[in-house]
Amino acid sequence: DSGVTQTPKHLITATGQRVTLRCSPRSGDLSVYWYQQSLDQGLQFLIQYYNGEERAKGNILERFSAQQFPDLHSELNLSSLELGDSALYFCASSVDPGGNTYEQYFGPGTRLTVT
Amino acid sequence: QKEVEQDPGPLSVPEGAIVSLNCTYSNSAFQYFMWYRQYSRKGPELLMYTYSSGNKEDGRFTAQVDKSSKYISLFIRDSQPSDSATYLCAMNRGNEKLTFGTGTRLTIIP
Repeated sequence: DSGVTQTPKHLITATGQRVTLRCSPRSGDLSVYWYQQSLDQGLQFLIQYYNGEERAKGNILERFSAQQFPDLHSELNLSSLELGDSALYFCASSVDPGGNTYEQYFGPGTRLTVT
Repeated sequence: QKEVEQDPGPLSVPEGAIVSLNCTYSNSAFQYFMWYRQYSRKGPELLMYTYSSGNKEDGRFTAQVDKSSKYISLFIRDSQPSDSATYLCAMNRGNEKLTFGTGTRLTIIP
C-alpha cells in the first residue's frame, strides 16, 4: 500500500459526459501529479499541483482540469468525454514537508471506460 | 530521440536467475532515479529510489546509477514467478514530473 488513495476504482460513462476523479496523497506530501495510461501505452504526465498551486502542465486537454484543495487532496475533472479518453488515470504524490525527497508514490488508479 | 531509452523486451528467464534491467538517458540534468514494478492494470509500485551515482541494495533488488555514462540498472537476484511484471525506469530533476522509459515486460518461468 503506497498510502495514495484514488476513487472511484472504475468508472463507466457515456460520450459527452463529465466525471470527477479524486486523489488523496500520502500524509504530508505536498505535490500531486496526474498521469494517464492508455491500453499498452506509457504513462503520460497531465498536470502537477504543489501545495495548492498548479506547478506544471503536460499534455492535458482543454476539456480536462484539476485542482488541489487546502487539505491537499486533488480532483481531476474530465468533460465532454470521448471514446479516446478511456484509460487508466493515476495519481502520484511526492515531496515531504522538509522538501528533501522526491520519490513519487502512485495510487491504484481509476479505470475510465467511455462508451 | 527519446530522453529515456529502455528495452521493451519481453524478457523471459528461469526462476532463480539474476535479472538485469537497464535504461539509458540523455538529459544530464536528471538527478533522481526510480524503478517501478507494474502488474497488469495496477498502479506502479516504487521499488528503488536513488540519488547520484552508485549502488543501492534492498533485499533482492540492487539499483545502480552511472551518471557519467547516463546509464541505470536494476538487478533482481533469486528471481521468483511473482516478479513477473513490467518494470519501468523513471527519473527527474526533483519536484517535477517523472520521465519514464517504455517499460520492460519480464516473465519468470517456474
